[in-house]
Amino acid sequence: DIVMTQSPDSLPVSLGERATINCKSSQSVLSNSNNRSFLAWYQQNPGQPPRLLIYWASTRESGVPDRFSGSGSGTDFTLTITSLRAEDVTLYYCQQYYISPYTFGQGTRLEI
Amino acid sequence: QEQIQQWGAGLLNPSETLSLTCGVSGGSFSGYFWTWIRQSPGKGLEWIGEINHTGKTDYNPSLKSRVTISVDPFNQQFSLRLTSVTAADSAVYYCARHIGGGYTHWGQGTLVTVSS
Repeated sequence: DIVMTQSPDSLPVSLGERATINCKSSQSVLSNSNNRSFLAWYQQNPGQPPRLLIYWASTRESGVPDRFSGSGSGTDFTLTITSLRAEDVTLYYCQQYYISPYTFGQGTRLEI
Repeated sequence: QEQIQQWGAGLLNPSETLSLTCGVSGGSFSGYFWTWIRQSPGKGLEWIGEINHTGKTDYNPSLKSRVTISVDPFNQQFSLRLTSVTAADSAVYYCARHIGGGYTHWGQGTLVTVSS
């Protein structure tokens, strides 16, 4: 299985500032056929299912504010949240959907 | 607005069979992959498996011997069966949909507790 490792596990943040979450896969999730990385980012609030933010490593899902951005390719990825708002202070996961079984990172919790 | 609603028993005894169903409304059923994912404090988010509208399945090898995912395209439903459950199967179970780029639609989640 591809192991997804996020860092840090928890991240102290300040409102209005930038937050950066890293995700590393144990093997490349970059497809040679379409030159895309099969990597998604999700946000999860308590008691709710995850919400898709980013797919193909850097494509923002419809309706997601542009303060959320994804970057990276191959094995190393980053989710950046600029101008942090109170509703952004929650839990985030990365996920690879390149090779089954599709696997998730352990999660990164933003905290004030 | 497409919605996914899920239902099924939330309290099981060890060795029983977990059975959950998701129904899709307000959107197309074909062309997507319909997935089951579970979440527990100990193991985080775990992909269980998926099925497409033709019935083609893919399962997590760690659960493959106990899992069956089935589809009913006519009623726009898909189901999960997990046999011989133990306490380790206690989790929130989600169904979700993707078309190749991440899970865009999710069910509300079902808390399943396995306890005698």
